[in-house]
Amino acid sequence: DAKTTQPPSMDCAEGRAANLPCNHSTISGNEYVYWYRQIHSQGPQYIIHGLKNNETNEMASLIITEDRKSSTLILPHATLRDTAVYYCIVRDQGAQKLVFGQGTRLTINP
Amino acid sequence: DTAVSQTPKYLVTQMGNDKSIKCEQNLGHDTMYWYKQDSKKFLKIMFSYNNKELIINETVPNRFSPKSPDKAHLNLHINSLELGDSAVYFCASSHQGYLNTEAFFGQGTRLTVV
Repeated sequence: DAKTTQPPSMDCAEGRAANLPCNHSTISGNEYVYWYRQIHSQGPQYIIHGLKNNETNEMASLIITEDRKSSTLILPHATLRDTAVYYCIVRDQGAQKLVFGQGTRLTINP
Repeated sequence: DTAVSQTPKYLVTQMGNDKSIKCEQNLGHDTMYWYKQDSKKFLKIMFSYNNKELIINETVPNRFSPKSPDKAHLNLHINSLELGDSAVYFCASSHQGYLNTEAFFGQGTRLTVV
C-alpha cells in the first residue's frame, strides 16, 4: 500500500509556480521521498528525490518539512507540457520496488 | 538511444491466446521490473528481477511468466489471455543496493484482449 496522501487534482496557470503537496506522516528515518510523473500515455518519469534536506534539480525543487511528515514538489515555471499525474512515493533505500498511489493530476492552463 | 525499450507498443489479441512482451535496457542496471496499469490508472508492480533472479512476485497468476535471459532483458509471457489482462504493461530498470537510485520506465505496451 502507498504510504502517501496527495490531492487527486490541481490546476495551475502557465508560467506560475506549481506547488504539489504530499503527506507521508508514517515515514521512517531511512525512507526517501521520491517524485515521479506520468504524462499521458507515457511511462513514469523520475523527477527528484530527497531524504531530509531540500533538493533542487533542473526539473523541480523538493521541500521536505523538518519533521519529514510532508513535502512539496515545486515546478517553478509551469508549462503546458508539465500537465501530468504526479506521484509522491516513500521508499526505503533497500526497497526493491516503487509503490505508486493515486497521484495528483496536475493541469496547466494557458 | 532509448534507455528502456519495450516491444510491441500495441498488442491486440483474442482470449485464450499466448503472447509475449519484450523489454531491453541499455543502462547497465542490474534490476528490472514489470508494472501493470489497469483502466483505473493504478500502477502496480508485478515482478522484479535482480541479476536474472526473481526477487518480487506480487501474487500474479501463474499464467504470467517472466523470463530474464540476461541482466539487460526481462520478457513477459502470458498464457491463456483473459479479458481482465487488458492493461498497459510497463517495464522498468534501476540499480539496486546503491544509494539514490531512480527507476527508468519504458513507454509501455498496451495490451487489449478481445
